[in-house]
Amino acid sequence: NAGVTQTPKFRVLKTGQSMTLLCAQDMNHEYMYWYRQDPGMGLRLIHYSVGEGTTAKGEVPDGYNVSRLKKQNFLLGLESAAPSQTSVYFCASSYSDTSGANVLTFGAGSRLTVL
Amino acid sequence: DQQVKQNSPSLSVQEGRISILNCDYTNSMFDYFLWYKKYPAEGPTFLISISSIKDKNEDGRFTVFLNKSAKHLSLHIVPSQPGDSAVYFCAASALLPDKLIFGTGTRLQVFP
Repeated sequence: NAGVTQTPKFRVLKTGQSMTLLCAQDMNHEYMYWYRQDPGMGLRLIHYSVGEGTTAKGEVPDGYNVSRLKKQNFLLGLESAAPSQTSVYFCASSYSDTSGANVLTFGAGSRLTVL
Repeated sequence: DQQVKQNSPSLSVQEGRISILNCDYTNSMFDYFLWYKKYPAEGPTFLISISSIKDKNEDGRFTVFLNKSAKHLSLHIVPSQPGDSAVYFCAASALLPDKLIFGTGTRLQVFP
């Protein structure tokens, strides 16, 4: 049972380059999310999806695009990378626990450095 | 505007004693509150949750307390163990839209 898998785990980009982070989940979860983690900032929501074919903006969406063409995959794209996008990116999918809380299951993270 | 705040960036506790991690929030529309633990180079893992209709929830050594009037919640770990050393994130969500807002985290160190 793989859970949430993120690829790649590490990537170094030059300013202006583009790339895509891939997230795959095998738990049949409807909701998926992309967060970034920066020192002293906690986890901030970039974009999320409540189902196949739908996406929505989170707290810090600028400079990123996402797509959810298949239920199990959620892609995060950077069209023109900037040094401010150097961060650790976490993908998650969610289910509802017995109390009704929306519990997120996270991947291991993708560390991106933009030079 | 930070809706979920963890004002203590770090906490050091002796093994066997109680660890208390605190979290404050500003949005009265939050329905659910969750705690996550994160080890270095790993993704956060879910620990425990509480609904806004409750004031306490227990799971083994972990208890979460919610004080709605003060917009405050806390996580108690008793007894603390060295393996509990990690960064702990508090998170909150409102039913609509259903997205989780995280605090900045508290680094817990449990020493022998």
